[in-house]
Amino acid sequence: ILNVEQSPQSLHVQEGDSTNFTCSFPSSNFYALHWYRWETAKSPEALFVMTLNGDEKKKGRISATLNTKEGYSYLYIKGSQPEDSATYLCALLMYSGGGADGLTFGKGTHLIIQP
Amino acid sequence: DSGVTQTPKHLITATGQRVTLRCSPRSGDLSVYWYQQSLDQGLQFLIQYYNGEERAKGNILERFSAQQFPDLHSELNLSSLELGDSALYFCASSSRTRQYTDTQYFGPGTRLTVL
Repeated sequence: ILNVEQSPQSLHVQEGDSTNFTCSFPSSNFYALHWYRWETAKSPEALFVMTLNGDEKKKGRISATLNTKEGYSYLYIKGSQPEDSATYLCALLMYSGGGADGLTFGKGTHLIIQP
Repeated sequence: DSGVTQTPKHLITATGQRVTLRCSPRSGDLSVYWYQQSLDQGLQFLIQYYNGEERAKGNILERFSAQQFPDLHSELNLSSLELGDSALYFCASSSRTRQYTDTQYFGPGTRLTVL
């Protein structure tokens, strides 16, 4: 069983500041790494799907990088806004021999943006 | 709104009972995934169906079963319920199976409380 670790567990950031957090994993034996954003009382919303070492994705003020050799992915938020407050989930799509399985999720980083 | 619908939103039942959770995928999506979010646990993959056939199994208990019907909606059946089965159950859908770049779109979830 692969452990997907996310750090920190929670993070308080001042509005306007930039921030980043980490998803780490011990093995590169997966197909893809997914980032999701999960707001309270809503369902997880897909941000990025990353597949290659050195992959970099960007969506507005949010970007992500993937380093499969070192076993981590970073999510960056530039100029944090109150609406960025959410739990950010990292998940791996594992290789199971017969193909890909469902996503293996980390426990998330809970981000709170303080006005 | 992801386009994935789940019913009911909330369900309260007693130990030993059986319940059925329902999911309708996004229009055109052939894959359906079920996930469980328990207290203090990350999202756990339960099972995947593709176009009516079971394709991958995760941490699904023997007391739980699922199926996908010809109209592509899916049902998750939970029987002999225990207190520990209380959780948020999510359904997600994607367009294909075992395609690692596919985004999984999550429904709003069903909150199950077992008393």
